[in-house]
Amino acid sequence: DGGITQSPKYLFRKEGQNVTLSCEQNLNHDAMYWYRQDPGQGLRLIYYSQIVNDFQKGDIAEGYSVSREKKESFPLTVTSAQKNPTAFYLCAISSGSGANVLTFGAGSRLTVL
Amino acid sequence: AQSVSQHNHHVILSEAASLELGCNYSYGGTVNLFWYVQYPGQHLQLLLKYFSGDPLVKGIKGFEAEFIKSKFSFNLRKPSVQWSDTAEYFCAVISSGGYNKLIFGAGTRLAVHP
Repeated sequence: DGGITQSPKYLFRKEGQNVTLSCEQNLNHDAMYWYRQDPGQGLRLIYYSQIVNDFQKGDIAEGYSVSREKKESFPLTVTSAQKNPTAFYLCAISSGSGANVLTFGAGSRLTVL
Repeated sequence: AQSVSQHNHHVILSEAASLELGCNYSYGGTVNLFWYVQYPGQHLQLLLKYFSGDPLVKGIKGFEAEFIKSKFSFNLRKPSVQWSDTAEYFCAVISSGGYNKLIFGAGTRLAVHP
């Protein structure tokens, strides 16, 4: 996984339930990101964090929440307020080969039943 | 707001055909440009990138892309595709000096038939 671990790989939840997706990295990179991938829409930025204890909303933050209590961890919570949560979620970190190069995890596929 | 447009959503080619995937972005300042590729069942991975210098950049697996500033374009090319190039390709842009907010295009699904 190139130092990024996302879990779970597949997740099913019922409507009205919150669910938390895990993203862990062991590359000691400062910046971490969450993207959502939908067919025909590419990747859209949900939240990003440049340093510990700080994060910013991306383009589609509504219905999501994050925390960055540790450098290596950036969990994403999909809340019941997210109207269309079924999607493929990708975590990324900024690579050491250039500040703007992102390295992606394997992703988590969330299906709401 | 920045945006990225990829002109083709689906492309079907035969092996050995030439490939060109279009990408245009909307941002007037200095940008960094990327092409990422997602092979079936695999991670999204970097194909090539442009930060500065020679506008013709070469990436992995024989791919190249040309940055044309006047056209706000960063088209991806490969002279002869292989079946193994079947994948989804994403163009992305970030404004230089920004907060590492990488903006992606909608993606182009390439299917190469043997």
